[in-house]
Amino acid sequence: KNEVEQSPQNLTAQEGEFITINCSYSVGISALHWLQQHPGGGIVSLFMLSSGKKKHGRLIATINIQEKHSSLHITASHPRDSAVYICAVIEAGNQFYFGTGTSLTVIP
Amino acid sequence: EPEVTQTPSHQVTQMGQEVILRCVPISNHLYFYWYRQILGQKVEFLVSFYNNEISEKSEIFDDQFSVERPDGSNFTLKIRSTKLEDSAMYFCASRVGGGLNTEAFFGQGTRLTVV
Repeated sequence: KNEVEQSPQNLTAQEGEFITINCSYSVGISALHWLQQHPGGGIVSLFMLSSGKKKHGRLIATINIQEKHSSLHITASHPRDSAVYICAVIEAGNQFYFGTGTSLTVIP
Repeated sequence: EPEVTQTPSHQVTQMGQEVILRCVPISNHLYFYWYRQILGQKVEFLVSFYNNEISEKSEIFDDQFSVERPDGSNFTLKIRSTKLEDSAMYFCASRVGGGLNTEAFFGQGTRLTVV
């Protein structure tokens, strides 16, 4: 049983392309995080969402609570964006559920 | 910017030994979490902790695992008798509260290698 589903699992893009990563979840949530993990393992939180849309620089995250779906968009992608992107939801009961991650490679 | 810190960054231990992984959450945070990532696999929730007790735990968090907040700053994960399959990255996180719009902050992880 997967409480959080991400797609695609792997994504290769040319520098400058617009990228979308999707996350669907089945549990009731109090918040959703988009995380970035670089080789070497460290995790950085990009966004925390509970509704609507957030934007940081070239990154945009949206969430539709009714549809239980979130998307992470990267505009004008760059090789330094290459990383694993993980969707993580914090369930109303305070437990974390993680997606399997999307491995993004941006080619110059 | 405040951050969650974890020590050590890498620990190698013999199978059957006890290990303690340490985390220093952000100082005014009240909710604490441990999770792990076996190499090549997805991140898995282990346990959440609030008000000096476990609030949620996963099936992975069996009797060989325990957590403690021994003082006002540290949050530790103890593995009593390590197994080869405990080799993973262990991440700590903290939040100021448990409700909506309270962001989780993540540590950089401890890579545990059981030999």
